[in-house]
Amino acid sequence: GQQVMQIPQYQHVQEGEDFTTYCNSSTTLSNIQWYKQRPGGHPVFLIQLVKSGEVKKQKRLTFQFGEAKKNSSLHITATQTTDVGTYFCAGRPFTGTYKYIFGTGTRLKVLA
Amino acid sequence: GAVVSQHPSWVICKSGTSVKIECRSLDFQATTMFWYRQFPKQSLMLMATSNEGSKATYEQGVEKDKFLINHASLTLSTLTVTSAHPEDSSFYICSASRGATQNSPLHFGNGTRLTVT
Repeated sequence: GQQVMQIPQYQHVQEGEDFTTYCNSSTTLSNIQWYKQRPGGHPVFLIQLVKSGEVKKQKRLTFQFGEAKKNSSLHITATQTTDVGTYFCAGRPFTGTYKYIFGTGTRLKVLA
Repeated sequence: GAVVSQHPSWVICKSGTSVKIECRSLDFQATTMFWYRQFPKQSLMLMATSNEGSKATYEQGVEKDKFLINHASLTLSTLTVTSAHPEDSSFYICSASRGATQNSPLHFGNGTRLTVT
């Protein structure tokens, strides 16, 4: 079946260091969304990428969608303790469906 | 912004009993809602797509007689875990899309932590 993998599974960084999580789909995606889930909380929408090769920025966060629309990345510059949480990508396959396949997630811990 | 309310936040029940979880879109109509299950420190596993006025679409491996979904109105979907067993203990979370297109963001409820004793 369709799978969306993320690496790394865990990442511990010192506050101020950069962080990147990579998302890889086994199939081509129509679009991809990114969510952040704080410990004990629910996923919160961050951004959506639709076009091949698209790059979007939100303050210290940079999101990229691959040319083949099968992979994506999220890069955080100069992490802060508020960045702690699990980051999930969610891809929608080219099947005309409303459903999204969530990635395996990357859990980020920021050490002060 | 769009708000999705889920109730209850947590529930403890005895083995063999049934538990109903509600998911409401508070300020928008949702023709489609999604139900997920999340094990500790793991990803969200899509269980089913709830469609207003029609039968839910279940993912492979999810027992539809075990996890009953009803989407009777444009603002309410319910998930009933029937004859619950300890292995059904998990975090159940719903989501809904506010927009009319397939590209619209998902808004999640706060989730329900189910413990079956």
